[in-house]
Amino acid sequence: DGGITQSPKYLFRKEGQNVTLSCEQNLNHDAMYWYRQDPGQGLRLIYYSQIVNDFQKGDIAEGYSVSREKKESFPLTVTSAQKNPTAFYLCASSMVNTEAFFGQGTRLTVV
Amino acid sequence: RKEVEQDPGPFNVPEGATVAFNCTYSNSASQSFFWYRQDCRKEPKLLMSVYSSGNEDGRFTAQLNRASQYISLLIRDSKLSDSATYLCVVNRGGGYQLIWGAGTKLIIKP
Repeated sequence: DGGITQSPKYLFRKEGQNVTLSCEQNLNHDAMYWYRQDPGQGLRLIYYSQIVNDFQKGDIAEGYSVSREKKESFPLTVTSAQKNPTAFYLCASSMVNTEAFFGQGTRLTVV
Repeated sequence: RKEVEQDPGPFNVPEGATVAFNCTYSNSASQSFFWYRQDCRKEPKLLMSVYSSGNEDGRFTAQLNRASQYISLLIRDSKLSDSATYLCVVNRGGGYQLIWGAGTKLIIKP
């Protein structure tokens, strides 16, 4: 089945620790996105990538980093510089001028 | 002003009623429009694309008004299972940039 796979589903981070969220797609989509969603709020764009080895900052990129070494993979690292990382993280992919498809999300909690 | 705006609701609607949402967008170069549904603690899922001629899928009808720069979603004969947050999405001028509304929460009551 084609789709987007995010892992892990739940992640716990200690203060000062970097963590990496995985996102893989087998839809052969060019673009991939990372969003953050806080309770009761809308989606906020962290980073997006339209092509391998290239990515752009979204509205809330500070404290996050990404890479796009392969078309199907777009991992997100939440660094210790992100002071309030507890949120629901969603990865998506799309082709140009078309709808986006989402993974099931990762819930990150700081402990 | 946000580029894509929705009434956050919540809309409390009795089962069987008809409910309509509007979403306004500010970029006249926007080319693609979509409605998504998001259930609590789940990922958004595409409900329907919105075409210039309007389109219908069962109880759901989507309309686009380019002159006034808004899209609408109509749900007829609402079901309890329609309770969710409905997100409006606009593609900014073609390409890959998707602009998301904050969502409208719908609660269907028995």
